[in-house]
Amino acid sequence: DTGVSQDPRHKITKRGQNVTFRCDPISEHNRLYWYRQTLGQGPEFLTYFQNEAQLEKSRLLSDRFSAERPKGSFSTLEIQRTEQGDSAMYLCASSSLTGELFFGEGSRLTVL
Amino acid sequence: AQSVTQLDSHVSVSEGTPVLLRCNYSSSYSPSLFWYVQHPNKGLQLLLKYTSAATLVKGINGFEAEFKKSETSFHLTKPSAHMSDAAEYFCVVSEPNFNKFYFGSGTKLNVKP
Repeated sequence: DTGVSQDPRHKITKRGQNVTFRCDPISEHNRLYWYRQTLGQGPEFLTYFQNEAQLEKSRLLSDRFSAERPKGSFSTLEIQRTEQGDSAMYLCASSSLTGELFFGEGSRLTVL
Repeated sequence: AQSVTQLDSHVSVSEGTPVLLRCNYSSSYSPSLFWYVQHPNKGLQLLLKYTSAATLVKGINGFEAEFKKSETSFHLTKPSAHMSDAAEYFCVVSEPNFNKFYFGSGTKLNVKP
């Protein structure tokens, strides 16, 4: 399978713990996006990379969120000191320059 | 600023009848518009996109959308619904150069036998 893969698919954690999600994009895509989706809402932009450069980050993201894309390949999204309000589906997508987003199946975070 | 409004949160149709999912957009630029579909426990998949070429855009699985600048609309249609079309559909507008994408809140399509 050469699509976008995300790991883990589901993470349950206690409030205050740190969590990290990984995204492996389609190999030839130079753009990578992170989105967050809560129940009944559309995906909400978090951040995006072009190659290894993080070009934009949502103002909605607190300092507890950080994303990296070392060497322009896979990406990680870390949430520190998780809160119950962080419970959501975290979506990763990759793209070439055509604008078509290819999404992974998401990583669902549950904060107890 | 870019934004998208999906006018119906739920739409229910009978199998074999037409589908209409409504979307209005707001954009400071000449917009690029997309429709994505999300089946349960599956990733979002592109149905079709408009990027300033033909105003009537054909997508996968028999779906079409028409860009109407005067109405700032990009409604999704299909002549005949199939049970497999039951899913959630998202209308999306992007910034120039596809730097950021703005999703609507989604329309859940139910198809009755």
